[in-house]
Amino acid sequence: GQQVMQIPQYQHVQEGEDFTTYCNSSTTLSNIQWYKQRPGGHPVFLIQLVKSGEVKKQKRLTFQFGEAKKNSSLHITATQTTDVGTYFCAGPVTGNQFYFGTGTSLTVIP
Amino acid sequence: DGGITQSPKYLFRKEGQNVTLSCEQNLNHDAMYWYRQDPGQGLRLIYYSQIVNDFQKGDIAEGYSVSREKKESFPLTVTSAQKNPTAFYLCASSIGEETQYFGPGTRLLVL
Repeated sequence: GQQVMQIPQYQHVQEGEDFTTYCNSSTTLSNIQWYKQRPGGHPVFLIQLVKSGEVKKQKRLTFQFGEAKKNSSLHITATQTTDVGTYFCAGPVTGNQFYFGTGTSLTVIP
Repeated sequence: DGGITQSPKYLFRKEGQNVTLSCEQNLNHDAMYWYRQDPGQGLRLIYYSQIVNDFQKGDIAEGYSVSREKKESFPLTVTSAQKNPTAFYLCASSIGEETQYFGPGTRLLVL
């Protein structure tokens, strides 16, 4: 069945270091979305990528969608303590059903 | 002020008891979803609904039931058949394959 895997599951970085999480789908996705969940909170939408090979930036965050539309990455430059949380990728499959990745939990050490 | 509301924030269930979690949205979204999140894990889909009076099972529907009598409302019932219900329950809505908007969640604990 459909699977969306993310690596790593956990990442601890010193404040100021870079961070990357990778998302891989077993099937081609029409689009991929990224969400951030702060500790104790709910997932909040960050961005959606639609085109093959698409790259989008939001300040220190860079999002990429693979050429085959089966993988994606989120890169954070010079992490800050406000970046702490769990980052999820998600992709729609048939019938508007979404599959969420397993998530990457980011800890930033001041 | 548009959005999704979930209630209650915390819910306690006794053995053999059915409990219902509320989810309401005023975003005029057709699609609504229920997810379960266990500590340190991702989101697993319980049920989803694309339109009023229609819903489909997700990956972990056993022990849960839903209804969609109104566009704005998608309540989830955790039945006594769900043997391990302790989790964080998240409701979301969307327009088709677009952005999912999440409610604040309900934490269910078993007494």
